[in-house]
Amino acid sequence: EAGVAQSPRYKIIEKRQSVAFWCNPISGHATLYWYQQILGQGPKLLIQFQNNGVVDDSQLPKDRFSAERLKGVDSTLKIQPAKLEDSAVYLCASSHLIAGPFSGANVLTFGAGSRLTVL
Amino acid sequence: AQSVTQLGSHVSVSEGALVLLRCNYSSSVPPYLFWYVQYPNQGLQLLLKYTSAATLVKGINGFEAEFKKSETSFHLTKPSAHMSDAAEYFCAVSKRIGGNKLVFGAGTILRVKS
Repeated sequence: EAGVAQSPRYKIIEKRQSVAFWCNPISGHATLYWYQQILGQGPKLLIQFQNNGVVDDSQLPKDRFSAERLKGVDSTLKIQPAKLEDSAVYLCASSHLIAGPFSGANVLTFGAGSRLTVL
Repeated sequence: AQSVTQLGSHVSVSEGALVLLRCNYSSSVPPYLFWYVQYPNQGLQLLLKYTSAATLVKGINGFEAEFKKSETSFHLTKPSAHMSDAAEYFCAVSKRIGGNKLVFGAGTILRVKS
């Protein structure tokens, strides 16, 4: 099966500019995640969608970050305006929807990531 | 809140030597635990996961990990390192019930010397 597709792979912008990242998950995966991976740190969850609804966006800086998954398939993550500390790799992942007592065992499939450099 | 701590941001081993990457978790109840590997400029790939069926879990590429509740640990091992094992390794935890949000450790970079 095709993997999780992300674009662009690399983006360099100046602070206060805006940027958008796109993700196309594995076909049939109901759940989609955006993670932020800052150099030297583990990935941190920004937002989780289940179909086109938001499950968890508690760590999304909503004053500058936004994300949508309008048709329950692909998703866009936007940053406006960007800050220096937003320099990171933005990873998209997807998984099947497994509800109930075994949901925590679900395996995420990650894309290659979009590397953002803010100057 | 759940968390994982990976001991050692960098580990260096000789080719053919034992690989040991350490991970300790913090959770009020035994969670699900995962090890992911990340090669340069690639996304994360699942190595193995613990979901309570067996405490010794075997994964891909000869890696295995043992869940030890008494030590709250889930260390990753491989008997003999290969040059291709050089990568960054992440331990992650999720709750058993209530969703599949993964919380990652800071990662350990494995270097394999020839």
